[in-house]
Amino acid sequence: NAGVMQNPRHLVRRRGQEARLRCSPMKGHSHVYWYRQLPEEGLKFMVYLQKENIIDESGMPKERFSAEFPKEGPSILRIQQVVRGDSAAYFCASSPGAGPHEQYFGPGTRLTVT
Amino acid sequence: EDQVTQSPEALRLQEGESSSLNCSYTVSGLRGLFWYRQDPGKGPEFLFTLYSAGEEKEKERLKATLTKKESFLHITAPKPEDSATYLCAVSVTGTASKLTFGTGTRLQVTL
Repeated sequence: NAGVMQNPRHLVRRRGQEARLRCSPMKGHSHVYWYRQLPEEGLKFMVYLQKENIIDESGMPKERFSAEFPKEGPSILRIQQVVRGDSAAYFCASSPGAGPHEQYFGPGTRLTVT
Repeated sequence: EDQVTQSPEALRLQEGESSSLNCSYTVSGLRGLFWYRQDPGKGPEFLFTLYSAGEEKEKERLKATLTKKESFLHITAPKPEDSATYLCAVSVTGTASKLTFGTGTRLQVTL
């Protein structure tokens, strides 16, 4: 049973470019969460999605960041016009339903902005 | 504002030396408390979920307990492979399933 998959594992972008991070949830899971982990800081919630719906985006920066989880295919976290402060590890997690279920995390995408 | 505080920030133990990690929380209403383990360069690995005060969960050398204000992760006779960062997170009523994490305890177990 494959776990949560994320790609790419490492991504290097120059300032001003776009970054696209992909996440495929565990089989049978339809709830996806994105978290960001800055160096020496804890994991911070960004957004919670179900298929074709954004449920909670209270942790998303107001500009340049967007997320989607289409009917078919992986969830995408998109960062436009990246800046050095966007350099971080981005983790995706999935759960089988809403509510206080445990969330299973992927290996993360480490974004470096040069 | 919901807060999760973990202590100590770092802990160094000798193999076989038991200890406890603390996670204290201040939330409007607790739906669940979660413990994760994170190895360097990897994603968090789920360990336990606790839902109500008095609940305990156990797995190998680890035991998690929950009170109305805090949770403890007890490590009995640790081994070097238990070295990792241990993260505590809470799910709070009215927040649509997101987890709020503490900053973790970095555990190092030496021979």
